[in-house]
Amino acid sequence: SYEVTQPPSVSVSPGQTARITCSGDALPKQYAFWYQQKPGQAPVLVIYKDTERPSGIPERFSGSTSGTTVTLTISGVQAEDEADYYCQSSDSSGAYVVFGGGTKLTVL
Amino acid sequence: QITLKESGPTLVKPTQTLTLTCTFSGFSLSTSGVAVGWIRQPPGKALEWLAVIYWDDDKRYSPSLRSRLTITKDTSKNQVVLAMTDTDPVDTATYYCAHSNPANYGDYVFDCWGQGTLVTVSS
Repeated sequence: SYEVTQPPSVSVSPGQTARITCSGDALPKQYAFWYQQKPGQAPVLVIYKDTERPSGIPERFSGSTSGTTVTLTISGVQAEDEADYYCQSSDSSGAYVVFGGGTKLTVL
Repeated sequence: QITLKESGPTLVKPTQTLTLTCTFSGFSLSTSGVAVGWIRQPPGKALEWLAVIYWDDDKRYSPSLRSRLTITKDTSKNQVVLAMTDTDPVDTATYYCAHSNPANYGDYVFDCWGQGTLVTVSS
């Protein structure tokens, strides 16, 4: 079945820019969504439809897309951004949901 | 304010059927477009989508678990139930239910989640 792929980990220093990628063959056809999950908590939606940001999510979170890869960018990373980030999308026909394996963002 | 809460057994023996209930408030599952989904997360591992049920009783399942899952809704009780047959220790996970309204953020997007419930499958 269809899969989307994320790097297991990304590390950045405070104030730097973190970029987390998600790759999948159907991403040119299907939107991607990003969730942030902190330890012991439920996921929180931070980006929808590739590039849109829900209300209440800081402007430093942004999304972009290029071909079969979507990217979550966190500009001016803060210590509170340390979390696991999950990419979500669908197969090419939109029949089912897939989550990426998650990326652990470490703020050094 | 939308809230969801998962309930069910914390321990299930292998081969038994696991039945989980999601009780929600702040929205109606009879409203056009609205859906409730189930997602699980084994300890220390990634999220895994399981199933979703829509306001019109349309249902979608994970291809890998389709044969073992049944999702139903009781609109009058504001509940969604997920049944998983023939459980195995690998089904040990935190199970979340979540709200979706395509009009808000798109299809299959879960904008509000329950706190999750940890289910252990062990003899």
